[in-house]
Amino acid sequence: QKEVEQNSGPLSVPEGAIASLNCTYSDRGSQSFFWYRQYSGKSPELIMFIYSNGDKEDGRFTAQLNKASQYVSLLIRDSQPSDSATYLCAVTLRTGGFKTIFGAGTRLFVKA
Amino acid sequence: GAGVSQSPRYKVAKRGQDVALRCDPISGHVSLFWYQQALGQGPEFLTYFQNEAQLDKSGLPSDRFFAERPEGSVSTLKIQRTQQEDSAVYLCASSLELGGRNQPQHFGDGTRLSIL
Repeated sequence: QKEVEQNSGPLSVPEGAIASLNCTYSDRGSQSFFWYRQYSGKSPELIMFIYSNGDKEDGRFTAQLNKASQYVSLLIRDSQPSDSATYLCAVTLRTGGFKTIFGAGTRLFVKA
Repeated sequence: GAGVSQSPRYKVAKRGQDVALRCDPISGHVSLFWYQQALGQGPEFLTYFQNEAQLDKSGLPSDRFFAERPEGSVSTLKIQRTQQEDSAVYLCASSLELGGRNQPQHFGDGTRLSIL
């Protein structure tokens, strides 16, 4: 079992719809959770981060964390063609320092 | 600088050569991470520094990989006796640490390494 799992997609949604991206993680010691967006040929850029159970909203984006189920999700409302990218879920463990594990990413296509 | 700077952007080396990749993090960022990203995959953790201390190197794939951050700022990832499977994009990221938590990481543009 991979430490951080995501559906590779592609996930295709029409413009204006809600895109729902999911991620599960295996280590219960995980303490920080991040969603990054990566366009082809570019480096990851931060979308959202969440530390506590519940929802966190920022504009069109909502991150949801359920530590009991070891589940993190990202909702994108009013999806735009410019949201088409790979979305990476990342989890940070406290080891001697910090170790961050990324999922393989979910490709999202927003159709105009 | 304003962001994380990596150099070179592209590196082509022959199998067996040694390479050195540089990362200049955001000023004041305590944490520095190195990742390896293969095509179509997420970044794979290689190593983590807190200032000059390398606190986690569990992701380094072999003893051919070595990283350092001697003054707690610029870091260098060195790969000795390169192999074709080392071909990948190498990403560097830096972040703050607040309240005992790792804060969001800021990534450089990466170095694309090709081993012939």
